[in-house]
Parts: sequence; structure tokens; C-alpha cells
Amino acid sequence: EAEVAQSPRYKITEKSQAVAFWCDPISGHATLYWYRQILGQGPELLVQFQDESVVDDSQLPKDRFSAERLKGVDSTLKIQPAELGDSAMYLCASSLRAGSEQFFGPGTRLTVL
Amino acid sequence: GQQLNQSPQSMFIQEGEDVSMNCTSSSIFNTWLWYKQDPGEGPVLLIALYKAGELTSNGRLTAQFGITRKDSFLNISASIPSDVGIYFCAGLSGSRLTFGEGTQLTVNP
Repeated sequence: EAEVAQSPRYKITEKSQAVAFWCDPISGHATLYWYRQILGQGPELLVQFQDESVVDDSQLPKDRFSAERLKGVDSTLKIQPAELGDSAMYLCASSLRAGSEQFFGPGTRLTVL
Repeated sequence: GQQLNQSPQSMFIQEGEDVSMNCTSSSIFNTWLWYKQDPGEGPVLLIALYKAGELTSNGRLTAQFGITRKDSFLNISASIPSDVGIYFCAGLSGSRLTFGEGTQLTVNP
């Protein structure tokens, strides 16, 4: 497929609950990225995968966030437990290879109450 | 870390006018990308620039990769109402993409 797919599009949860987001990159894209975008700002990288391996998770809050891409295709980002400050848009992007242009999915809007 | 300064922060124009926005950085980038984001959606890639000095067009959009590799601009000619949205520049260094803070464009019919 020629688009990055994400689900759900919207998620409302209470603080301390667990949430999970799913991403299916463009077919054949080896590199997958998760970004967080706070309203009024540009996206900021959380984690980058090359195939099934994490190559950059330096900005991922590892005490509560985890990400996996077990078979090197689709990916899941999890937050447990969610905090009020996690409310944001979570964007997935993919690229043919590291260093090539990145294409974004529609995002998941998370609201933590 | 790397920072991109994008200006202006917002623009209010009349339909038919031309628009210009730019990004500057203290760091060198290998690639400059320009994205447009509509409310509640992900960024959509508009133009990619790969070489210093490169000038690229995509319909009514024209973008340039600065000679110093530290800046880029985007022009939109003859704006139309559907040009409304937030435009982001992004610099690519290695595989790390750094975004500007966006330019909010409003087009009055």
C-alpha cells in the first residue's frame, strides 16, 4: 500500500491506564519512526526502527513508553501508565531507507483525562 | 540539539496573493523537506530538496535549498483557500529529521 496506516485515529483514556497505537508503514519501507507532536509545535522523534531493530530511542521515555516492530513490518507503540502530559498527536512515518524522505500517517490523537 | 527557526509564525493573506516562508538553522542539513499539515491529520510531504542551491517546483509551490545548506524557503504562488494549513520545514541529517515550528497560513477568499 502507498500510505502509512495508523489506528486508532483517536483515543481517550484516563491517567494510569495503558494505551497502544498501531502503525503499518508503506510496503517495502525498511525504516519506521514514531513521533510525538504537541499542539502548536513540530513533531519530535520518539523512536526509529531499521527493519526490526531499534536504532534510535534516545528521546523515548523508557520508564513508561515501549515500542516494537517484531517482524520488521508493522509496529506498536505503548504507554503504561499514561499521564496527563502524554496528551498529544502520535505520528508514525516510514522511509524507504534511513536518510530518505519520510512519509507520515494520519496520526493518533491521544487525550489523557 | 539542532534547531530550525521558521518564519513567519503565521500569515493572513487574500486569495490570489503569493506567499513566502523560510527556515534557517545553525547546522548543515543534507536534505530539506517541506510538509503541509491540516488540522487533525499527519504532515504531507510537498517538496524534497537534495542539493545545495537546488530550486524545485511542484505546481504552484517552489522551494530552494540554500547554498550554505543552512536555510531553505518555500513560495506559494496565486494562493487558494485550500492552501490553508500549517507548513513545516524539516532538515534531514543522517536519518534524523528536525522540524521547524511551523507557519500557520490563512487564506481569505
